[in-house]
Amino acid sequence: EIVMTQSPATLSVSPGERATLSCRASQSVSSNLAWYQQKPGQAPRLLIYGASTRATGIPARFSGSGSGTEFTLTISSLQSEDFAVYYCQQYNNWLHTFGQGTKLEIK
Amino acid sequence: QVQLQESGPGLVKPSQTLSLTCTVSGGSISSGDYYWSWIRQPPGKGLEWIGYIYYSGSTYYNPSLKSRVTISVDTSKNQFSLKLSSVTAADTAVYYCARESDYWGQGTLVTVSS
Repeated sequence: EIVMTQSPATLSVSPGERATLSCRASQSVSSNLAWYQQKPGQAPRLLIYGASTRATGIPARFSGSGSGTEFTLTISSLQSEDFAVYYCQQYNNWLHTFGQGTKLEIK
Repeated sequence: QVQLQESGPGLVKPSQTLSLTCTVSGGSISSGDYYWSWIRQPPGKGLEWIGYIYYSGSTYYNPSLKSRVTISVDTSKNQFSLKLSSVTAADTAVYYCARESDYWGQGTLVTVSS
């Protein structure tokens, strides 16, 4: 099983600033990585797939990078609606796994 | 626009079988080479992938749940289903169905309690 480790567990950032979230895989997942945003009481929302491709309707302030075992989600200028929990997920093999999540909170 | 909706009992007794159905609208479950997933989230915790199925019937399950999980598809009803046997309190969670990564149901809370 590929273990996905996200860091930090909690990130405090002020609105308008940049946020950088990390996700590490225990072995290479190539570019088969997705990022999701989840707000309280809601289903996860796909932000990024293929490590760097924005999903339909996702604002350009969200960007993903990385390949292999190291991945980053960057939110360039935080808006109030961006404060949420973010998950990465690998789908490189049939056994898909999620990271434990990073909570992005207002500083 | 594809939409998914979970349905099933919100309360299941310990040792019984949890059964949920996901109804797909706005698109055929048989069209395209998509897989259809179940994911769960215990209260206050992270996401756990349960497994998925292709419309052909091929299935893939999380090894930690494999002995208790069955996912099936009914193309005539445009639905797919989850059965989880021998449930315990640890199976209490919001259960989501999804089409690959992009379309998700709203989730349904299933509580395991006597």
